[in-house]
Amino acid sequence: AQTVTQSQPEMSVQEAETVTLSCTYDTSESDYYLFWYKQPPSRQMILVIRQEAYKQQNATENRFSVNFQKAAKSFSLKISDSQLGDAAMYFCAYRMDSGGGADGLTFGKGTHLIIQP
Amino acid sequence: GAVVSQHPSWVICKSGTSVKIECRSLDFQATTMFWYRQFPKKSLMLMATSNEGSKATYEQGVEKDKFLINHASLTLSTLTVTSAHPEDSSFYICSARSRLAGVEQYFGPGTRLTVT
Repeated sequence: AQTVTQSQPEMSVQEAETVTLSCTYDTSESDYYLFWYKQPPSRQMILVIRQEAYKQQNATENRFSVNFQKAAKSFSLKISDSQLGDAAMYFCAYRMDSGGGADGLTFGKGTHLIIQP
Repeated sequence: GAVVSQHPSWVICKSGTSVKIECRSLDFQATTMFWYRQFPKKSLMLMATSNEGSKATYEQGVEKDKFLINHASLTLSTLTVTSAHPEDSSFYICSARSRLAGVEQYFGPGTRLTVT
């Protein structure tokens, strides 16, 4: 079974600074996807960034970027120029790629990100 | 685009009764829908996967007879919690995926269930 581990229950960062959230995962599959989701107090899950395992290039989305280390099974999220609106729970998630798309997500336990003004 | 709704957003029911939660894809056809459960300040756990017109596939440890899932159309899936008990109180989130829309799953806003 796949597992996703987020070892930082809570992180705090000053506004405008950079913060990195850690995630490791365990799988025997070679084809899969990794995601970072944001869950604000509204509890609506918001996709932050996605990484395909077959891509060596790290994904970036504006202020958000990942460091994907496939051999180490590590998938960290870097948030640059942190903003107050970034405060939320962040979940790392894994999805196997069986080809049919009917695979659910396996989530880590989450990291609560606090932005200090 | 890619909007998923859930109804109701919050429901309170008495122990022993059944409650139905709806998940709708509003602007796309959802070939697959997923149901997750989230305890307070905890992660999301996949409960089951349903494909339109097929029986749902439940994750290990999830009681099929307690959590009935129906995916009768390409835009609607329902989760019925039967004979609810206080320990079933939780936040239930659905997500939907379209075969035409790539790898993403689109999440609904969730339903808070409180069983008294």
